[in-house]
Amino acid sequence: ETGVTQSPTHLIKTRGQQVTLRCSSQSGHNTVSWYQQALGQGPQFIFQYYREEENGRGNFPPRFSGLQFPNYSSELNVNALELDDSALYLCASSFNTVGANVLTFGAGSRLTVL
Amino acid sequence: QKEVEQDPGPLSVPEGAIVSLNCTYSNSAFQYFMWYRQYSRKGPELLMYTYSSGNKEDGRFTAQVDKSSKYISLFIRDSQPSDSATYLCAMSAKGDYKLSFGAGTTVTVRA
Repeated sequence: ETGVTQSPTHLIKTRGQQVTLRCSSQSGHNTVSWYQQALGQGPQFIFQYYREEENGRGNFPPRFSGLQFPNYSSELNVNALELDDSALYLCASSFNTVGANVLTFGAGSRLTVL
Repeated sequence: QKEVEQDPGPLSVPEGAIVSLNCTYSNSAFQYFMWYRQYSRKGPELLMYTYSSGNKEDGRFTAQVDKSSKYISLFIRDSQPSDSATYLCAMSAKGDYKLSFGAGTTVTVRA
């Protein structure tokens, strides 16, 4: 059973650029969530995807967008990067079911915006 | 006021000591409570999961939930240097699609 894998692990961009982060969910999971973790803070919910559609969204602007593919993998896209977008971006997968949303996290993609 | 409050520490204890961590929250709809452990440069990994109020024990770890006080705790007995990490509390309401996290408490266990 493979866990959640994310790529790239590290990347550096400049303000105004666009970035795409990728995530492969854990085997058997059908739901993917993305979180932003700023340095010294807890993860903040960005959005969740289920059946290739956005299933819920946190307090993030529309320049944060995502996709989920038929194999349940996912992408996070951020346009017009700002300095405050520098953070660890965590992908988490789960199995959509009634009850607790128990997440399995990947190691994250660390984005630095200069 | 944040929805979930967690003292960031840092907390430093000698090996073998009991580590006590806690979070408070304001949303009375929260019913699922979790503790995640995050090592440096890694993603969070689930340690404990509790539904509603009560205690749950798993090896050296004990999680407690007091919904009347909106207060949750994690105790680590016989702490080891390998327990050195950041501990994040997280919680969600029934049917909710997101977890609300605390800021995390950084723990160092000294050998």
